[in-house]
Amino acid sequence: ETGVTQSPTHLIKTRGQQVTLRCSSQSGHNTVSWYQQALGQGPQFIFQYYREEENGRGNFPPRFSGLQFPNYSSELNVNALELDDSALYLCASSRRRLANQETQYFGPGTRLLVL
Amino acid sequence: AQSVTQLGSHVSVSEGALVLLRCNYSSSVPPYLFWYVQYPNQGLQLLLKYTSAATLVKGINGFEAEFKKSETSFHLTKPSAHMSDAAEYFCAVSPLLNYGGSQGNLIFGKGTKLSVKP
Repeated sequence: ETGVTQSPTHLIKTRGQQVTLRCSSQSGHNTVSWYQQALGQGPQFIFQYYREEENGRGNFPPRFSGLQFPNYSSELNVNALELDDSALYLCASSRRRLANQETQYFGPGTRLLVL
Repeated sequence: AQSVTQLGSHVSVSEGALVLLRCNYSSSVPPYLFWYVQYPNQGLQLLLKYTSAATLVKGINGFEAEFKKSETSFHLTKPSAHMSDAAEYFCAVSPLLNYGGSQGNLIFGKGTKLSVKP
């Protein structure tokens, strides 16, 4: 059973550019959540995808968007990058059954630096 | 709104000493509670979780946590610290919906960095 994988591991962009981060969920998981972890802080919830639809969103602007594919992998897209977007972006996968959310398992993260 | 407070951004213990990391939560209904560990330049690893079963929860690497509803606490303990326990620890709450299902997102505390002295 493979765990959650993310790519790339590191990324450097300049202000105003766009970035796409990718996540492959753990086998058997149908839900993907994305978190932003700024330096010295706890992770903050960006949004969650279940059955290819956004299923909950944190306090992030619309320039943060995502996709979930039929194989449950996911992308996080950030447009018009700002310096404050520099952070570790974590993807977590889980299995949702009916109304219940099971434990989230995290990938190693993508470290984004915006210059 | 639910929130998590971790008391102490840095905790230092000697190898072999008791580890106690504090977490208090705010929630209108008993939530699911989690402890995750993060080693440098890595993602988060689940240590243990409370999902309304036994109030004393045992996790990996000898850690355990006790859910105390009256104190709204979920403190993490380990009887004897090892050098390999040096990492950052995050407490998180997963809010429950009124009908019992999970809201799905995790709300994290700011983390406590644990140092272990030889």
